[in-house]
Amino acid sequence: LAKTTQPISMDSYEGQEVNITCSHNNIATNDYITWYQQFPSQGPRFIIQGYKTKVTNEVASLFIPADRKSSTLSLPRVSLSDTAVYYCLVGDYNNDMRFGAGTRLTVKP
Amino acid sequence: DVKVTQSSRYLVKRTGEKVFLECVQDMDHENMFWYRQDPGLGLRLIYFSYDVKMKEKGDIPEGYSVSREKKERFSLILESASTNQTSMYLCASSRGGGRDEQYFGPGTRLTVT
Repeated sequence: LAKTTQPISMDSYEGQEVNITCSHNNIATNDYITWYQQFPSQGPRFIIQGYKTKVTNEVASLFIPADRKSSTLSLPRVSLSDTAVYYCLVGDYNNDMRFGAGTRLTVKP
Repeated sequence: DVKVTQSSRYLVKRTGEKVFLECVQDMDHENMFWYRQDPGLGLRLIYFSYDVKMKEKGDIPEGYSVSREKKERFSLILESASTNQTSMYLCASSRGGGRDEQYFGPGTRLTVT
């Protein structure tokens, strides 16, 4: 199963775009990439999922290059409320999956 | 709204005690999961269950067992708690396998003294 690697922390300012990259060099053909967001004292919650190329929803975009060895979560125009820990998860149809260690994003005014 | 509830937000137990952590989901999900969350290590899968009475080991099953007698309920058991099991424990459920959206409970912070 692909091991995932993320930066431990990132800082940003309100209104900026933030890009968080997850490396998963040994990703398998059937694996999908999912990102979760976690606020203090809460469980993680789903943000976005993709298999290849680009996926966009109302809160984020996910960019996955052709080789799928990494993925980038893009948060447009962050606000203070986006301060959280972001996890990338690589997994397939079975329960064969692995979370990254998480990236702590701090958004400053 | 999907709801995953955990029996306690905070729990303090002594070394050697038997500890039960309960998780209930109300979405009729097939899959349920127990994770442990520690600083710098992210979420690590302890056990999961894909059906009633079925269970599979995750990455760190040692020192833990699980029980799933009903579809909505998944219990994590520490047979003899140790200080190195002090952690945040998160339960989750999903309709399908590892690529389906997981819904998490709020977590139980367990301290073993």
